[in-house]
Amino acid sequence: EAGVTQFPSHSVIEKGQTVTLRCDPISGHDNLYWYRRVMGKEIKFLLHFVKESKQDESGMPNNRFLAERTGGTYSTLKVQPAELEDSGVYFCASSQRVYSYNSPLHFGNGTRLTVT
Amino acid sequence: KNQVEQSPQSLIILEGKNCTLQCNYTVSPFSNLRWYKQDTGRGPVSLTIMTFSENTKSNGRYTATLDADTKQSSLHITASQLSDSASYICVVSDGRGSTLGRLYFGRGTQLTVWP
Repeated sequence: EAGVTQFPSHSVIEKGQTVTLRCDPISGHDNLYWYRRVMGKEIKFLLHFVKESKQDESGMPNNRFLAERTGGTYSTLKVQPAELEDSGVYFCASSQRVYSYNSPLHFGNGTRLTVT
Repeated sequence: KNQVEQSPQSLIILEGKNCTLQCNYTVSPFSNLRWYKQDTGRGPVSLTIMTFSENTKSNGRYTATLDADTKQSSLHITASQLSDSASYICVVSDGRGSTLGRLYFGRGTQLTVWP
C-alpha cells in the first residue's frame, strides 16, 4: 500500500508570505494528524482529524495556522502569514483507528519549511 | 510535567558493535511506549511497542526493555549495521483518551555507524 505522502518536501519562503502544506494519508485511514519538529526540539502535536472533523486542535500554535481536510481525504495546513519561528519540519501521520497499541501511526517524510 | 528524556543525544559506533540507547519518562498515567527509527529525510517508523506489563520486546536486532516502576526504557541494537544510522525516538502515551495530543516525544538519539 502507498504510504503517507507529503508535498512539498521542502519549502523556503520569506517572512510574511503564505505556504500551504499537503498531506495524503494512507487510503482508508480516517485518522490524520499533523506534527511539527522545530530545530533542536522534540516532535510536537498540532492537531488531529477524524475524517473531516477536527478531533483535537489543542496543539495549533496560533491563528496563523489553518488546517483543513475537506471530504475526509487529504489535508492541508496553511501558514499565513509565516514567521521565522514557524521554520521546522512538519510531519503528517495517519492511522486506521485512533492511536492505540494495535493502531500505530504511519508518518510521512515531512515537509521542511524554512522561513527567511 | 510530562516529559521524555533520551540519552545520549548522539552516539558513534563501529559497524558490528552493540549499543544501548536510554529513555526516561515522567508521563503519567502510562499507557504504552514506542521506539521509532527515523532515517534522515524520512518520517519515523515504529520499531517496538510495550505496555506496562511487558518488560522486553524484540524486533530483529532491536531489543527494547521497559521498567515501568523506574519509568525507564532502553533500546539495544545488536551487531550494528551501516543502515542503523538514524535518529531513534522514544514516544510515550498516557492513554488518557482518544486524542492524539497525549503522545510525548523524546528529542531522539542520533546514532551513526561507521564502517
